[in-house]
Amino acid sequence: GAGVSQSPRYKVAKRGQDVALRCDPISGHVSLFWYQQALGQGPEFLTYFQNEAQLDKSGLPSDRFFAERPEGSVSTLKIQRTQQEDSAVYLCASCEGEPYNEQFFGPGTRLTVL
Amino acid sequence: SQKIEQNSEALNIQEGKTATLTCNYTNYSPAYLQWYRQDPGRGPVFLLLIRENEKEKRKERLKVTFDTTLKQSLFHITASQPADSATYLCALDAPGNTGKLIFGQGTTLQVKP
Repeated sequence: GAGVSQSPRYKVAKRGQDVALRCDPISGHVSLFWYQQALGQGPEFLTYFQNEAQLDKSGLPSDRFFAERPEGSVSTLKIQRTQQEDSAVYLCASCEGEPYNEQFFGPGTRLTVL
Repeated sequence: SQKIEQNSEALNIQEGKTATLTCNYTNYSPAYLQWYRQDPGRGPVFLLLIRENEKEKRKERLKVTFDTTLKQSLFHITASQPADSATYLCALDAPGNTGKLIFGQGTTLQVKP
């Protein structure tokens, strides 16, 4: 399977715990995006990488959210000191780069903070 | 900032009919607009992309129109089938040519046999 994969698929955390969400994009895809999707809503942009460079992190809700893509392939989204309002589905998407066309999404990680 | 509106109420239609979903946006005109399908528990799946200089795009039973004057896109599914039941998301590119997308909240389509 050459699609985007994410792990874990489900994560339950106690408030205050740190979590790390992983994304494996399609091999060779230059651009990688993280989105947050609340129940009944569309995905909302969090951050964007072009290769290893994080070019836009304007959507990260607070400084508790941190993302990296050190070698330009796998990316990790880390949330420190989780809060209940962080509960959502976190989606990762990748695309080839310019010209921008379709984005390929992973299945998402459903995070529940108790 | 860009605001996208899709019908928040679910659309229920009979099998074989044409489903029409609406996407309205405010503010700037995007360079392109995309439509995605999302099934429960899954990530969105790309369906169609239409650029600002295109009026209409077709793919099998799907048709998308793009009216930059009205700031509106219509998404049509002809000869609808129960398997078309899903949530459909409209997405516009954000300024800056980064590929970043701004999504609407989605419209849920239910096709009844």
